[in-house]
Amino acid sequence: DVKVTQSSRYLVKRTGEKVFLECVQDMDHENMFWYRQDPGLGLRLIYFSYDVKMKEKGDIPEGYSVSREKKERFSLILESASTNQTSMYLCASKGQDYTEAFFGQGTRLTVV
Amino acid sequence: KQEVTQIPAALSVPEGENLVLNCSFTDSAIYNLQWFRQDPGKGLTSLLLIQSSQREQTSGRLNASLDKSSGRSTLYIAASQPGDSATYLCAVYNYGQNFVFGPGTRLSVLP
Repeated sequence: DVKVTQSSRYLVKRTGEKVFLECVQDMDHENMFWYRQDPGLGLRLIYFSYDVKMKEKGDIPEGYSVSREKKERFSLILESASTNQTSMYLCASKGQDYTEAFFGQGTRLTVV
Repeated sequence: KQEVTQIPAALSVPEGENLVLNCSFTDSAIYNLQWFRQDPGKGLTSLLLIQSSQREQTSGRLNASLDKSSGRSTLYIAASQPGDSATYLCAVYNYGQNFVFGPGTRLSVLP
């Protein structure tokens, strides 16, 4: 079974903290994605990566950065967490072009 | 820019009914379309993947169709069960290597 694993299910952080969300996949997929999901706004793409050390901005990259040093791991970084970054964060992994995408279990981040 | 819509936004049906969920997209330059299920507070579970060259895919009680030229897909659920209650999302994978999601249909199947 394909596995996409996010490091935490629930996370509570303070305003101004630097936050790392980790995502690991075990299928040697080239593409990895970070989304946030908010009620009424659906899934919004933050960043995606199509190869090691490569990244592309999505629709809402402001306040976030990413790192992909190894193919299996894609990290989302909140440089200075703010309350408006309280959300559900979802990581996805996908092979090339015509292949199926798989999601992690999600991380519910609360910034207080 | 690709836009994906889903109708209806919410649906409540008695157990045993057959039902259809609709997904529309504006740009036909896609590799494939994928249907997902999401339970409250959880991640997305892949249900069906339809390639752009395909018309239909089936898995158990689920059947998904794709009409790429008209920008439409439907998810048919046969003999619905309370355990089918969830939010169903469709997503298209564009030539620009990006997924675009619809807003979802929230399904409630009543016992």
